[in-house]
Amino acid sequence: QVQLVESGGGVVQPGRSLRLSCAASGFIFSNNAMNWVRQAPGKGLEWVAYISYDGNNKYYADSVKGRFTISRDNSKKKLYLQMNSLRAEDTAVFYCVRERMALRGCLDIWGQGTMVTVSS
Amino acid sequence: QSVLTQPPSVSGAPGQRVTISCTGSSSNIGTHSDVHWYQHFPGTAPKLLIYGNNNRPSGVPDRFSGSKSGTSASLAITGLQAEDEADYYCQSYDSSLSGSVVFGGGTKVTVL
Repeated sequence: QVQLVESGGGVVQPGRSLRLSCAASGFIFSNNAMNWVRQAPGKGLEWVAYISYDGNNKYYADSVKGRFTISRDNSKKKLYLQMNSLRAEDTAVFYCVRERMALRGCLDIWGQGTMVTVSS
Repeated sequence: QSVLTQPPSVSGAPGQRVTISCTGSSSNIGTHSDVHWYQHFPGTAPKLLIYGNNNRPSGVPDRFSGSKSGTSASLAITGLQAEDEADYYCQSYDSSLSGSVVFGGGTKVTVL
């Protein structure tokens, strides 16, 4: 079945880096744009980053621009989020999310999430 | 503060109808941008509930419906059931924010 599985979360000190991965299965990964969405403790959902199906277009939320980098490897069916200069306010569950084909912004498949805690 | 505005909470008795509003602006809902709705049980993956303003993915009960008018949208749940107690988020696309998907702050639905 269609599935997204995130990994790479953990506890990291402020200012350090972390790389999240997302393994896709059950669909043609190279056909879909992908996103990262996060949810801080007690807060709502916040969109983080977008990458087009071919990796040529990338967009970021202002809160992470210049610190986070989204990328993908279609041959491995994997999505990544490189997070640098982490801050306490980046503490959140990070979700890997598929965008529905031909419907920009419709997030139709979500992973279970991976927790990132930024703390000294 | 979220770009889209939702009430923090709504409640209703089993069998009742509840609605959740989602207010945006001329740069998001007020454009041709679609509104989508998600259901989220804490600790699990959010689930697409309504897409393209008023369409239900396969498997979503027909007691869930969506609508859009002007710069606002709404989600209605008719015949409220205990299993509907969850957080609900509206989401759209904002043309003034490069590439930006925008969410509402979320609404907690409580079944009394």
